[in-house]
Amino acid sequence: EPEVTQTPSHQVTQMGQEVILRCVPISNHLYFYWYRQILGQKVEFLVSFYNNEISEKSEIFDDQFSVERPDGSNFTLKIRSTKLEDSAMYFCASSEGGGGNQPQHFGDGTRLSIL
Amino acid sequence: GNSVTQMEGPVTLSEEAFLTINCTYTATGYPSLFWYVQYPGEGLQLLLKATKADDKGSNKGFEATYRKETTSFHLEKGSVQVSDSAVYFCALRLGTGANSKLTFGKGITLSVRP
Repeated sequence: EPEVTQTPSHQVTQMGQEVILRCVPISNHLYFYWYRQILGQKVEFLVSFYNNEISEKSEIFDDQFSVERPDGSNFTLKIRSTKLEDSAMYFCASSEGGGGNQPQHFGDGTRLSIL
Repeated sequence: GNSVTQMEGPVTLSEEAFLTINCTYTATGYPSLFWYVQYPGEGLQLLLKATKADDKGSNKGFEATYRKETTSFHLEKGSVQVSDSAVYFCALRLGTGANSKLTFGKGITLSVRP
């Protein structure tokens, strides 16, 4: 069964450094998402992306964050200058359609640790 | 706004016990409802879904029925196994297009003892 893949599985970065988290969504999917989960807390929406542009972003997704689909397969999340509070598990998701009844398929996540 | 409330955890059960995990929602409209499961060290996996009132989603022995009158989507399993130990998230999705993000509950940890 096709799956969403994320790399790396664990990223350790010094505070203030830039980090790029990578995702390869399922190949025929058109809608892409990033979520994050701070340890012990709920999964939170960050951003949705369709047709090469951001469709919606949460208040968490400030100017330090950006997303890009640089080619036909990758979907990246960049944090320009990381802060301690960015430490979390970051999940990429994709869905075939945008309807509310379409399930989103998640990757295994990237654990980001900011030192 | 839209929100999902799950019962407080963690939950510890013996193998073959009956499981109920409560989930209620608040939404402006008619959402689709989902249960996701997160096994230790892994990502979120879709367990089951229901897209309209009175629909029952089922998978791997788990069931949940979309109850519009009580705005609930409780997860049940008749006989749990040790391998069901995981974190369970209830979620809703509303609307269409890329704006229809998932809104999750806090999740509940289930531990099943042999």
